[in-house]
Amino acid sequence: GNSVTQMEGPVTLSEEAFLTINCTYTATGYPSLFWYVQYPGEGLQLLLKATKADDKGSNKGFEATYRKETTSFHLEKGSVQVSDSAVYFCALTFTSGTYKYIFGTGTRLKVLA
Amino acid sequence: EAGVAQSPRYKIIEKRQSVAFWCNPISGHATLYWYQQILGQGPKLLIQFQNNGVVDDSQLPKDRFSAERLKGVDSTLKIQPAKLEDSAVYLCASSSKRDSGSYNEQFFGPGTRLTVL
Repeated sequence: GNSVTQMEGPVTLSEEAFLTINCTYTATGYPSLFWYVQYPGEGLQLLLKATKADDKGSNKGFEATYRKETTSFHLEKGSVQVSDSAVYFCALTFTSGTYKYIFGTGTRLKVLA
Repeated sequence: EAGVAQSPRYKIIEKRQSVAFWCNPISGHATLYWYQQILGQGPKLLIQFQNNGVVDDSQLPKDRFSAERLKGVDSTLKIQPAKLEDSAVYLCASSSKRDSGSYNEQFFGPGTRLTVL
């Protein structure tokens, strides 16, 4: 079946540190891949996306590259800020069928000043 | 553009009671989703509507959960009777009809946090 696996949190970093949150997927076919962010008390917001192999999604200093050979979509940021503290979800969907999203379990990031 | 609206934001009930959640999607969005997000887990799709028809309800516990989307606009999710394990955040999302071969970006509401005592 289709699934998404994320590294467990929480991840605690100091401000300006480098961030990597690992995400790997299992899929029958060629999914589109996403990172969503959830700030405390809010719903999920799309952070970035990639729809085909070798695409790089980027937004607000975050980046992730769709690696088909390793079935991965790791999230990175060169210098995190306190305001980046949130829960990050990796997800996939397909461009056919029911277009259902499958989410990972989420990784909580805490950035300390 | 107004976002996805949900109410109530918080609800506390005792087990075996009934509860209903309401969602108003973004105007014009044909597809509406209800997710259950248990603490420490990712959202799990409960039901997906395309206009007022059900596309996927394979993970909806139909013995106690029901949902409807009359007139293809807003939607109600009901739990009757509630169990302790239903404590979770219930998220509503919507997306517009997309072109074949493209993904459909989902927009999420703030969620309803349900506590069952």
